[in-house]
Amino acid sequence: GENVEQHPSTLSVQEGDSAVIKCTYSDSASNYFPWYKQELGKGPQLIIDIRSNVGEKKDQRIAVTLNKTAKHFSLHITETQPEDSAVYFCAARLLDQGGKLIFGQGTELSVKP
Amino acid sequence: NAGVTQTPKFQVLKTGQSMTLQCAQDMNHEYMSWYRQDPGMGLRLIHYSVGAGITDQGEVPNGYNVSRSTTEDFPLRLLSAAPSQTSVYFCASSYSYLAGGSDTQYFGPGTRLTVL
Repeated sequence: GENVEQHPSTLSVQEGDSAVIKCTYSDSASNYFPWYKQELGKGPQLIIDIRSNVGEKKDQRIAVTLNKTAKHFSLHITETQPEDSAVYFCAARLLDQGGKLIFGQGTELSVKP
Repeated sequence: NAGVTQTPKFQVLKTGQSMTLQCAQDMNHEYMSWYRQDPGMGLRLIHYSVGAGITDQGEVPNGYNVSRSTTEDFPLRLLSAAPSQTSVYFCASSYSYLAGGSDTQYFGPGTRLTVL
């Protein structure tokens, strides 16, 4: 079946450094790729998303890149801050089944002050 | 706007008991879904609905039932709870991307369920 692989599962960086999380997807028809941030005890919140007709999107310190040929997309966080510490999930949307999202396994990011 | 609300926040059940997890949204979203979150496995789709009266199965539907009688509510029923259903459950909603609206999925705060 369709799946999304996410790496790494844990990531520890120093405050001010950059963090990169990578995902690959299997369904070549997927056209929408959101990234969610989940803080402890809360539900996931969308932080950025990208559609298949765009190669890169940026929002302040966060950027996402998409390589459709290779079927992978990445989240880049620059100038990390302690409040960036959370679990991050990537997802890919299928075009059938109501447009359901398939999620990656999650990356626990820790930013050390 | 309250967004997506879920009740209860915590629940402990004994094996074999049944219960209903409640989910409501006040954004007039057509699409609603239920996920379970287990360590190391991300979010897995249980059931989803593209509108009132329409439901379908996701990746892990066994042991769960849903119904969608109104646009606002999407309850998840556990028919006979098992320890394997111990998990955190999230409800989410969005406009239907098929209708051309924003397809951002909004998640509720979750229900932490333990089955003994």
